[in-house]
Amino acid sequence: GENVEQHPSTLSVQEGDSAVIKCTYSDSASNYFPWYKQELGKRPQLIIDIRSNVGEKKDQRIAVTLNKTAKHFSLHITETQPEDSAVYFCAAGWGAQKLVFGQGTRLTINP
Amino acid sequence: SQTIHQWPATLVQPVGSPLSLECTVEGTSNPNLYWYRQAAGRGLQLLFYSVGIGQISSEVPQNLSASRPQDRQFILSSKKLLLSDSGFYLCAWSVRGRPYEQYFGPGTRLTVT
Repeated sequence: GENVEQHPSTLSVQEGDSAVIKCTYSDSASNYFPWYKQELGKRPQLIIDIRSNVGEKKDQRIAVTLNKTAKHFSLHITETQPEDSAVYFCAAGWGAQKLVFGQGTRLTINP
Repeated sequence: SQTIHQWPATLVQPVGSPLSLECTVEGTSNPNLYWYRQAAGRGLQLLFYSVGIGQISSEVPQNLSASRPQDRQFILSSKKLLLSDSGFYLCAWSVRGRPYEQYFGPGTRLTVT
């Protein structure tokens, strides 16, 4: 079955700097790759996703890139702000109506 | 608009006791429904998912079971809880055919003592 590896497990950056979280997947049949953000004590929320027919997608300060050949995808957050502090999860899915999640990255933005 | 409810919000149960967690969705029809468990500081482990009434797919063989008696109701059960069942249980739904866009409930924090 699909396996998703996420790195790093923790990441600390200065406010205003960029943060990058990387994920790799094993099943070449996966064709959509969402990212979820979970603030402390709250439920995960979808922040952005990318499909296999797209190499990059941007939404304001957030961007995702996908390399299907290498089977990895990344989340880029620019001009980080304190409210970006959270746990971020990547996931991979295909026609099986489910997602496989990575183990999460705890991002801390230092003022 | 769509809303997802879970209850109870917190639960403390002794080892060996039964469990029943309920999840309901409002404002949509024929959703995909999911149960996840999140251990402290860990990722989201998919336990069960359902694409329709009575259709349950199990991802992790263990002492938990799930049922979907109605279109927008999803229940997680156990006959005898183990210490290792402690965790944060999240229910989620998605539109049929859009499993990448899941909406999570507020969760149930279960402590097995």
